[in-house]
Amino acid sequence: QKEVEQDPGPLSVPEGAIVSLNCTYSNSAFQYFMWYRQYSRKGPELLMYTYSSGNKEDGRFTAQVDKSSKYISLFIRDSQPSDSATYLCAMNYGGSQGNLIFGKGTKLSVKP
Amino acid sequence: GAGVSQSPRYKVAKRGQDVALRCDPISGHVSLFWYQQALGQGPEFLTYFQNEAQLDKSGLPSDRFFAERPEGSVSTLKIQRTQQEDSAVYLCASSLPQGGYTFGSGTRLTVV
Repeated sequence: QKEVEQDPGPLSVPEGAIVSLNCTYSNSAFQYFMWYRQYSRKGPELLMYTYSSGNKEDGRFTAQVDKSSKYISLFIRDSQPSDSATYLCAMNYGGSQGNLIFGKGTKLSVKP
Repeated sequence: GAGVSQSPRYKVAKRGQDVALRCDPISGHVSLFWYQQALGQGPEFLTYFQNEAQLDKSGLPSDRFFAERPEGSVSTLKIQRTQQEDSAVYLCASSLPQGGYTFGSGTRLTVV
C-alpha cells in the first residue's frame, strides 16, 4: 500500500459543477498538506497549502484536512474549462524542510 | 529569476550515454529538490539540498544518479550510463523556509 492514495480518474464534469477531489494517507505523522495543479507538459503549480486539520478557502478552491480519518479533499466551485488539468495531492512532515510525498494525481476534464 | 528554470526541456539519449540536467532555482531559495515523474504517476522524490549541502539523497534509484549544488544556487542532476527505465520527466523545485514549493517545467528524458 502506498503512503498516499489518490484515484487517478479520469473525472469529467460539466462547466459550473462542483468538483470534489480526495486523497487518503497512511502516515499519521504528516502535518503539511498541499494541492498542486499540473497542466500537460508543465510542472506542478501550488494551489493550496495547509497545516494540520481544518479548512482553507481561496477563491473557488477549498481545501479540507481531516487528520483523524487521514483524508484530505479539494473542492472546486463553479468549475471552468481552464480547470482541466491533473490535480496532485502532496504531504510531508516538515513543510518546506522535507521532501513531499505525492499522490498519483487525478485527471480532471471540465466540459463547456 | 521569476521562476524555476530547467534545461534542456527535452533530451533524447542513447542507452549507455551520460546526461546532465540543469536547474536554476528562484533567487534566494535555500531549499532545492529533484523529483522524477513517470508517465501517469505523481512525482517521486530523488534528493534535497539546503544551500550547497545535500541533506537527503535517499530517493536516488541507483549509484548512476548523482546531484550537486556546489555554490548553493544552480543544481545539476547527472545520470550515468542511462537505461530505458530512466525515461521520465525530471522536475526541480525550490522553496523558502515557509511556504510551498515552486516547480520548474521539468526536463523530459527519453532513453532510446
